[in-house]
Amino acid sequence: EAQVTQNPRYLITVTGKKLTVTCSQNMNHEYMSWYRQDPGLGLRQIYYSMNVEVTDKGDVPEGYKVSRKEKRNFPLILESPSPNQTSLYFCASSSSTSGTEAFFGQGTRLTVV
Amino acid sequence: GEDVEQSLFLSVREGDSSVINCTYTDSSSTYLYWYKQEPGAGLQLLTYIFSNMDMKQDQRLTVLLNKKDKHLSLRIADTQTGDSAIYFCAERDQAGTALIFGKGTTLSVSS
Repeated sequence: EAQVTQNPRYLITVTGKKLTVTCSQNMNHEYMSWYRQDPGLGLRQIYYSMNVEVTDKGDVPEGYKVSRKEKRNFPLILESPSPNQTSLYFCASSSSTSGTEAFFGQGTRLTVV
Repeated sequence: GEDVEQSLFLSVREGDSSVINCTYTDSSSTYLYWYKQEPGAGLQLLTYIFSNMDMKQDQRLTVLLNKKDKHLSLRIADTQTGDSAIYFCAERDQAGTALIFGKGTTLSVSS
């Protein structure tokens, strides 16, 4: 089954404690990206990756890092989380930037206290 | 920059048709999308329309695109309680590297 898998689904952490949210896709997609969803703001792109070892900033990259060492994985790293990073995070993948479909993961609800 | 606007709420009765409207700003968008988000779930791609089309029908879903007015609509025929969800309109940004989402329309279906 084609899917994008994120882990964990829920996470509560404390300010400053480094964390990683994993994302994996099984469709051999080249393009992957991370979004955050906040009430009243909709979804905003954090980072994206066009292919292995190619990443770039989206609209709201501050406080986040990503890596793309393998095609299937695109982890989101918060080196020093802060309460304003409390949000619902989605990973997405598609076969290309002009692709007709984008598959989204189930989301990771992160709370930073 | 690019922007996508949607009304925030729509309430309909079961069996009626629902129409969710969206306006967008980027006339160069090649694809426009509709996503559905159920409570606690991720985003599900419902349908999409290519910019050279005026209409696309897929079972109970009909997408209408008015490029002149930059207006996109999603019609759900015979709306069911299971259609209750948040619906997002989205377009690709000019660089093609991001989806620009509206804030979502919450559809409430009463029986």
